[in-house]
Amino acid sequence: DAGVIQSPRHEVTEMGQEVTLRCKPISGHNSLFWYRQTMMRGLELLIYFNNNVPIDDSGMPEDRFSAKMPNASFSTLKIQPSEPRDSAVYFCASSPGETQYFGPGTRLLVL
Amino acid sequence: AQSVAQPEDQVNVAEGNPLTVKCTYSVSGNPYLFWYVQYPNRGLQFLLKYITGDNLVKGSYGFEAEFNKSQTSFHLKKPSALVSDSALYFCAVRDGLGGAGSYQLTFGKGTKLSVIP
Repeated sequence: DAGVIQSPRHEVTEMGQEVTLRCKPISGHNSLFWYRQTMMRGLELLIYFNNNVPIDDSGMPEDRFSAKMPNASFSTLKIQPSEPRDSAVYFCASSPGETQYFGPGTRLLVL
Repeated sequence: AQSVAQPEDQVNVAEGNPLTVKCTYSVSGNPYLFWYVQYPNRGLQFLLKYITGDNLVKGSYGFEAEFNKSQTSFHLKKPSALVSDSALYFCAVRDGLGGAGSYQLTFGKGTKLSVIP
């Protein structure tokens, strides 16, 4: 099994640009989670899906952030417009039940 | 509401010595407890979990953790530390009362473990 796949691994963009992060969960996992990690705030849950349906998006910082899961094998996290304070590592994780399995992350730098 | 506390930002231990990384939790129902490890520039890797049963849980790479209900703790331990164990360790909890749509974990701030040769 390839594990959770995230792309791109690194993204550098300028303030105001749209950023799209992608995630392919492990096949058969029915829950998917998006996290953000920064030195100041640690690991924060942004949103999670169960069976492709968003269950809790209370961690999404503001309307500039949106996430979709059009099918069981793909999810996106979009930031539009991006700001320098969005610079962080964004992780996707999937789960078949109790245990979450994390992807390698996308390191985002907004200049 | 559920919460996790990792009281130590950093733990230093000499190679070959036993190590302990502390974690305490708070949940309404029965806790589901997890430890993850993060190496530099990598994602979090699952180490072990406690759901029910024996209070001493064994996991990957020789790590184990002891669930103590009275002290609401789930400390991570290893009998003999290796330099390669140096990493960031996260404790996480979820409330076992949650239904099928409630797999949300709450993570601690993380503890940086440094094993000194």
